[in-house]
Amino acid sequence: DIQMTQSPSSLSADVGDGVTITCRASQSISRYLNWYQQKPGKAPRLLIYAIGNLESGVPSRFSGSGSGTDFTLTISSLQPEDFAAYYCQQSYSIPPTFGGGTRLDI
Amino acid sequence: QVQLVDSGGGLVKPGGSLRLSCAASGFTLSDFYMAWIRQAPGKGLEWISDISGSGATIYYADSVKGRFTISRDNAKNSLYLQMSSLRAEDTAVYYCVRDQVARDGDSFDIWGQGTKVTVSS
Repeated sequence: DIQMTQSPSSLSADVGDGVTITCRASQSISRYLNWYQQKPGKAPRLLIYAIGNLESGVPSRFSGSGSGTDFTLTISSLQPEDFAAYYCQQSYSIPPTFGGGTRLDI
Repeated sequence: QVQLVDSGGGLVKPGGSLRLSCAASGFTLSDFYMAWIRQAPGKGLEWISDISGSGATIYYADSVKGRFTISRDNAKNSLYLQMSSLRAEDTAVYYCVRDQVARDGDSFDIWGQGTKVTVSS
């Protein structure tokens, strides 16, 4: 199985700050990297697919980049609704696997 | 609108069985792979099973293989997960998820609200 490692596991920031979350795969996964946001008590929501494609309705302050094994999710100017947990996920091979998550707190 | 509604969770004893259901609306179910993903309390996300649009192709995580069975009834716009020989470590919120394989990459783009399964004596 492909292991996905996210860092940091938790992060504190203020409204208006820019933040970056990283995700590393244990082997090359080409373009098969997705990002999800999860708020407490809610289902995850797809934010970005195939490294850098924004899902419909996702604000443009979210962006994704990377290639091969190293990927990043950047939020350019944090809004109050962005404080949540974020997960990366590889869909290169079965089983699909998720990173351990990054909790973003105020 | 496009929606998935999970149901069927509850409290079950170790070794018991439970059947989860997922009702899909707003899209043609047979056009999509569907999946179940779970999240143990305070933990991350774990994919457990996928099924193709026709039901002909199925995948399972090693952690549930031989104990869980995924199925679908496209005529009823429904997805199911039959769980047996349940263990304490199966305690989690279970999400029905649409697996968007048709576009660039392969992502889980629509999620149900989740149904909670607790395995305890």
